[in-house]
Amino acid sequence: ETGVTQTPRHLVMGMTNKKSLKCEQHLGHNAMYWYKQSAKKPLELMFVYNFKEQTENNSVPSRFSPECPNSSHLFLHLHTLQPEDSALYLCASSQDAGSNYGYTFGSGTRLTVV
Amino acid sequence: EDQVTQSPEALRLQEGESSSLNCSYTVSGLRGLFWYRQDPGKGPEFLFTLYSAGEEKEKERLKATLTKKESFLHITAPKPEDSATYLCAVQAINSGTYKYIFGTGTRLKVLA
Repeated sequence: ETGVTQTPRHLVMGMTNKKSLKCEQHLGHNAMYWYKQSAKKPLELMFVYNFKEQTENNSVPSRFSPECPNSSHLFLHLHTLQPEDSALYLCASSQDAGSNYGYTFGSGTRLTVV
Repeated sequence: EDQVTQSPEALRLQEGESSSLNCSYTVSGLRGLFWYRQDPGKGPEFLFTLYSAGEEKEKERLKATLTKKESFLHITAPKPEDSATYLCAVQAINSGTYKYIFGTGTRLKVLA
């Protein structure tokens, strides 16, 4: 186990569905991140939460809505997605957003939009 | 523009055949350079952080080095279990804002 747990591991959803991705960490970290990973592209940062406050929204479409109820949990709410949103969605955590130690990643949610 | 470029895109090695992966970067205010390993269907796993030119870190068959423009991940006598995608990332600070930039990775396949 990596210390960062993501559920579900796989998700297939229609374009009109609403679903949520969940991320949980028990490492005592104060920063949590959502990344999108598509084939042959660098990891794309979507959102950053530092001490439960959103500090970065990297021009992400509003059909993706993050939620961070506490420092251990992070959600990504999905609605009205497009096929091009199909990707691996990764959650990561670090001591805080300015930390220059490595991130701890979860195993990701493989999302397919049909 | 801040940029991280990894090469080669893919690499096939015979077991025991040593080689190096390259990560070149153009950023201002470098705070650290990171190497990760990613296995299929999993998230990246942290390997090393390098903070300044001349620094080296080692872990088993892997050795990472850093200059002012690039980093190398040297793999000595690789084994099939070293097959994975290796990602490089840099953290930079610019006007008080932190940026964490990933490369596209090198897919390594080690043949028995």
